[in-house]
Amino acid sequence: GAGVSQSPSNKVTEKGKDVELRCDPISGHTALYWYRQSLGQGLEFLIYFQGNSAPDKSGLPSDRFSAERTGGSVSTLTIQRTQQEDSAVYLCASSQDSAIYGYTFGSGTRLTVV
Amino acid sequence: GQQLNQSPQSMFIQEGEDVSMNCTSSSIFNTWLWYKQDPGEGPVLLIALYKAGELTSNGRLTAQFGITRKDSFLNISASIPSDVGIYFCAGQRTGAQKLVFGQGTRLTINP
Repeated sequence: GAGVSQSPSNKVTEKGKDVELRCDPISGHTALYWYRQSLGQGLEFLIYFQGNSAPDKSGLPSDRFSAERTGGSVSTLTIQRTQQEDSAVYLCASSQDSAIYGYTFGSGTRLTVV
Repeated sequence: GQQLNQSPQSMFIQEGEDVSMNCTSSSIFNTWLWYKQDPGEGPVLLIALYKAGELTSNGRLTAQFGITRKDSFLNISASIPSDVGIYFCAGQRTGAQKLVFGQGTRLTINP
């Protein structure tokens, strides 16, 4: 597509439930990134996929968080047993081979855990 | 955790004023980028800098890549209401595939 598409745009879930957030990157972009932005905070790196290489999961805050990227395109970020501190905007970005030219971000998914 | 120190954290200015914000790091970056985030949207790339000492303009925006490669600044001249938002600096180290972001500068403009 023309831009990075994320769905849903908003998600309200009960504490303890699992959620899945979806990201559809720009066609042809081999790199895909997930970041988390808590209220009034900066961008916290979560996970990075590049082509067929093993993902860089160094930013995932706990084992409740996981992500996969199928067929080198769409990615799903899964949060299991959600906690209130998981409430944040989850941003997905994609880039061509290297990040040197910057990322293109989606509009994010605002997750609220009640 | 965050490795870029961005300041100020917030700014409240009058329309028409010039704005300056900066980003510093304890380590060297080979690329500096500046993004702007509007409410409810993802950050959008404003300016990219690739060489130490480089000064680049994009309309009323001017950014510089510090000579030490450990800092960068962004200036906005003659601010207008649509400049409101959060500005992020980001850096990339040689060989790294992901960007490191600053904490952001929230700009508010009084008409």
